[in-house]
Amino acid sequence: IAGITQAPTSQILAAGRRMTLRCTQDMRHNAMYWYRQDLGLGLRLIHYSNTAGTTGKGEVPDGYSVSRANTDDFPLTLASAVPSQTSVYFCASSEGSGAYVLTFGAGSRLTVL
Amino acid sequence: SQQGEEDPQALSIQEGENATMNCSYKTSINNLQWYRQNSGRGLVHLILIRSNEREKHSGRLRVTLDTSKKSSSLLITASRAADTASYFCATDKDFGNEKLTFGTGTRLTIIP
Repeated sequence: IAGITQAPTSQILAAGRRMTLRCTQDMRHNAMYWYRQDLGLGLRLIHYSNTAGTTGKGEVPDGYSVSRANTDDFPLTLASAVPSQTSVYFCASSEGSGAYVLTFGAGSRLTVL
Repeated sequence: SQQGEEDPQALSIQEGENATMNCSYKTSINNLQWYRQNSGRGLVHLILIRSNEREKHSGRLRVTLDTSKKSSSLLITASRAADTASYFCATDKDFGNEKLTFGTGTRLTIIP
């Protein structure tokens, strides 16, 4: 089934540890996004990529980094996790940066202790 | 900061009734979208309405857009238990197309 695969589904890690959330899509979409979802705050954009080889900062980029080496993969890295990064993280994609309909993954629940 | 704000935050209705959710936004937009999120799942796109459209239908969904009031409404007719979910509006911004900004959502509960 075409779509977005996120891993891990859930993770608990100690503060200060490095963590990479993986995201892979098989729809050949050009644009990809990372959002975090927190209760009462909705979804906030962390980073995005309009096409392979390019990335951009969203609303809440601090503490996160991304790379887009190819069309399919868009990993999100927390270099040194802090408790405020406890959240549910969603990867999404769209056909193009001008085509706004997003397809979402199932999410990765991250708890930083 | 949130571009879209949904109202109400939570809504409970009896199965078969109609559910109306509202979204207000702050800046001019090119289009507005509605998404549904079932508990523990990712968001699913429902409908997109462009700034030059006033109303759009998709099955039991009806979306209206009033750009003069910077507001939109989502109507779900003849609600079903399976409609229980959170509903989010999302807007682009008129100066860029990289960002789709989401509201905080309306939690809809359909009582069987």
